[in-house]
Amino acid sequence: GQQLNQSPQSMFIQEGEDVSMNCTSSSIFNTWLWYKQDPGEGPVLLIALYKAGELTSNGRLTAQFGITRKDSFLNISASIPSDVGIYFCAGRPTGTASKLTFGTGTRLQVTL
Amino acid sequence: EAGVAQSPRYKIIEKRQSVAFWCNPISGHATLYWYQQILGQGPKLLIQFQNNGVVDDSQLPKDRFSAERLKGVDSTLKIQPAKLEDSAVYLCASSLDPLNSPLHFGNGTRLTVT
Repeated sequence: GQQLNQSPQSMFIQEGEDVSMNCTSSSIFNTWLWYKQDPGEGPVLLIALYKAGELTSNGRLTAQFGITRKDSFLNISASIPSDVGIYFCAGRPTGTASKLTFGTGTRLQVTL
Repeated sequence: EAGVAQSPRYKIIEKRQSVAFWCNPISGHATLYWYQQILGQGPKLLIQFQNNGVVDDSQLPKDRFSAERLKGVDSTLKIQPAKLEDSAVYLCASSLDPLNSPLHFGNGTRLTVT
């Protein structure tokens, strides 16, 4: 089945630092979504990307749809303690009806 | 708008017992999904409905799992009989359409099978 490789698996950063994480697929995608999941809750949508090369921001978060359509990046600027959580990428391959595949997640921990 | 509602939040059962989960999607969302999330992993799609019809159930263990969305709104997911490896969080999500709209998730049901 479709596989999404997400890296890094986990990160420890200091408050105020910038964070970058990425996701790569083995096939071409037509949609990339980035979600954040807090303990005991469902994933919450952060950013949705629908076109190759698209760069979209949501506050301190910025995500990009890779030109090759096989990758996506999420950046968080000036991290704060509430950024702690697990970040998931998810994508829809082209040529399929709609099946959304999730990455394995990046666990972010922010220290003061 | 109200989000995706799921119940119960937690369930503990013994293996070989049966269990059912309920989901009420966001109003107007035609597409409904059930995902299984095992600890430390990303969500995995079990079944997808478009209105009251099944679009994709290729990863649903049909010998023990079943799901229905009879009136095209609420949905139930059932496991009978449960196995230890079914311990996971079961997430329900909905979207306006299956192609271009993002998924909105409920808070899930955490199932523990002992």
